[in-house]
Amino acid sequence: QSALTQPPSASGSLGQSVTFSCTGTTSDIGAYKYVSWYQHHPAKAPKLLIYEISQRPSGVPDRFSGSKSGNTASLTVSGLQADDEADYYCTSYAGDNSVIFGGGTKLTVL
Amino acid sequence: QVHLVQSGAEVKEPGSSVKVSCKASGDPFTYYDFTNFAINWVRQAPGQGLEWMGGIIPYFNTPNYAPSFHDRVTISADKSTTTVYMDLRSLISDDTAIYYCVRESYCTSSMCHTRGKFAFWGQGTLVSVSS
Repeated sequence: QSALTQPPSASGSLGQSVTFSCTGTTSDIGAYKYVSWYQHHPAKAPKLLIYEISQRPSGVPDRFSGSKSGNTASLTVSGLQADDEADYYCTSYAGDNSVIFGGGTKLTVL
Repeated sequence: QVHLVQSGAEVKEPGSSVKVSCKASGDPFTYYDFTNFAINWVRQAPGQGLEWMGGIIPYFNTPNYAPSFHDRVTISADKSTTTVYMDLRSLISDDTAIYYCVRESYCTSSMCHTRGKFAFWGQGTLVSVSS
């Protein structure tokens, strides 16, 4: 099991949109609908943003949206706000009650 | 609302073991709310990303482990105290990390197997390994 591949960094200006990619294989992202995304601010516990590819938990604004194509999942954050500056992690179910995380993408809001 | 409260920070020497606890509670919180939901452990080493270590559904009491930890970690559950434990052996400096317990929230047929929908997180436990 290798970590899902995420670009290490991304940036966007206030009010703009940014899209993060998360690439896996036919054994994880490509095989299942169980792709989640997390937002992680330093010194806080990660927060669930998206589950099952594109579903948002209650309380998560619709500025956050998810999708999947083949072995790659994506998270789009629109209308960037200063508080969106954080690390973003994807995760996918990988069979046998296991999950695998991506390496994370650090978002800088300009 | 579910609360996961973890044990405190630990400082360990290389080669030793550490056992971190995670007590689940809530308001309301029934026996089912503990036994039927997978509790997993995720860690983050300094400057590194999140890493899934393994998990357990207390109802079945059969843990699953990530291959990279399979020989060194034991995850167990005590239904009487609604507490899950993570025991990591043969510690090395690279095990220095914050360890989180997380509860699965994706459920089918009254059972919540690990699928990565981690809506509830413990506060994290810092384990430092140093001689």
